Amino acid sequence: NAGVMQNPRHLVRRRGQEARLRCSPMKGHSHVYWYRQLPEEGLKFMVYLQKENIIDESGMPKERFSAEFPKEGPSILRIQQVVRGDSAAYFCASSPSPSWWSEQFFGPGTRLTVL
Amino acid sequence: DQQVKQNSPSLSVQEGRISILNCDYTNSMFDYFLWYKKYPAEGPTFLISISSIKDKNEDGRFTVFLNKSAKHLSLHIVPSQPGDSAVYFCAASENRDDKIIFGKGTRLHILP
Repeated sequence: NAGVMQNPRHLVRRRGQEARLRCSPMKGHSHVYWYRQLPEEGLKFMVYLQKENIIDESGMPKERFSAEFPKEGPSILRIQQVVRGDSAAYFCASSPSPSWWSEQFFGPGTRLTVL
Repeated sequence: DQQVKQNSPSLSVQEGRISILNCDYTNSMFDYFLWYKKYPAEGPTFLISISSIKDKNEDGRFTVFLNKSAKHLSLHIVPSQPGDSAVYFCAASENRDDKIIFGKGTRLHILP
């Protein structure tokens, strides 16, 4: 049973470009959570999605960031017009039921570097 | 304003000795506390948790202690092993179904 998969593992973008980060949850998991870890910081919750629904986006920046989890395919975190401050590691986690921690499994992360 | 604080960015411990990682929090509404372990280039993995109704939870070599009056918790690893070298994140939530707030992490080095 494959774990949570994220791709790409490393992404380099120039300021103003778009970044698309993908997360494939574990098999049987229909709940996805995105976290961001800025340099020298802890992980910060961004958004919680179920299939085709955004449940909680209270941690998402108000502009340029969006997330989706379609019926088919991976969850996508999209960052438009990236700026240097977006450089961070982005982690996704999945769970089989609504569960904030007890059953969340994390992916290896995508490290975004904005030049 | 950091609600979960890990004031030691790093800690070095001799193999076989006890590792003690500390964590303080400010939000008195936190009811669940967790520790995660993270290796480089990997995501965090859940290690151990404790609810506010307890003051101790033990799982093998790992024990978490909670002092609610001091808003302090600690993770004890004994005996420490080379594979314990990692970054440890303390985290908390107001209830089982609420979002998790992470500390900045403590990097633990186990020395041979």
